[in-house]
Amino acid sequence: EAQVTQNPRYLITVTGKKLTVTCSQNMNHEYMSWYRQDPGLGLRQIYYSMNVEVTDKGDVPEGYKVSRKEKRNFPLILESPSPNQTSLYFCASSVRLAGDLYFGPGTRLTVL
Amino acid sequence: SQKIEQNSEALNIQEGKTATLTCNYTNYSPAYLQWYRQDPGRGPVFLLLIRENEKEKRKERLKVTFDTTLKQSLFHITASQPADSATYLCALDIILTGGGNKLTFGTGTQLKVEL
Repeated sequence: EAQVTQNPRYLITVTGKKLTVTCSQNMNHEYMSWYRQDPGLGLRQIYYSMNVEVTDKGDVPEGYKVSRKEKRNFPLILESPSPNQTSLYFCASSVRLAGDLYFGPGTRLTVL
Repeated sequence: SQKIEQNSEALNIQEGKTATLTCNYTNYSPAYLQWYRQDPGRGPVFLLLIRENEKEKRKERLKVTFDTTLKQSLFHITASQPADSATYLCALDIILTGGGNKLTFGTGTQLKVEL
């Protein structure tokens, strides 16, 4: 089954404790991206990647890192999480840049 | 400034009626526009894509129109069912000044179809 998976689905952590949210797709898509979704603000892009070893900032990259060492994986790293990073996070992939996106199930992160 | 507007208030309609959702934008020249459905606690699911040179696109009970003069897209669900209740997001393909393009999402409109 074609899908994008994310782990963990739910995470409660404390300020400053480094964490990684994993994302994996099995559709051989070149393009992957991370979004955060907040009430009233909609989906905002954090980072995207057009291919292996190619990543670029989206609209709200501050406080986040990503890597794309393999085509299928695109982890999101929060080196020092802060409460304003409490949000619902989605990973997405697509055949091409700005193509129709396949979204993962979401990761609900709470930073205390 | 660039803006994508979708009705923030929920749209309540009766089963069997046609639901019409609006997506308005300013200061964009999108190459195409997409609509997604999102259920609570889940990721958005792609529904339809319409290009700038297309006036209308259909898929089963769904219809999308795209008016680049009015800077507006309308999303219609005919013969609506309670299972159509969800939040619907529009997304514009934006051409970046430095080259490349990306999708920018509206905040979505919640649709409730009542029996």
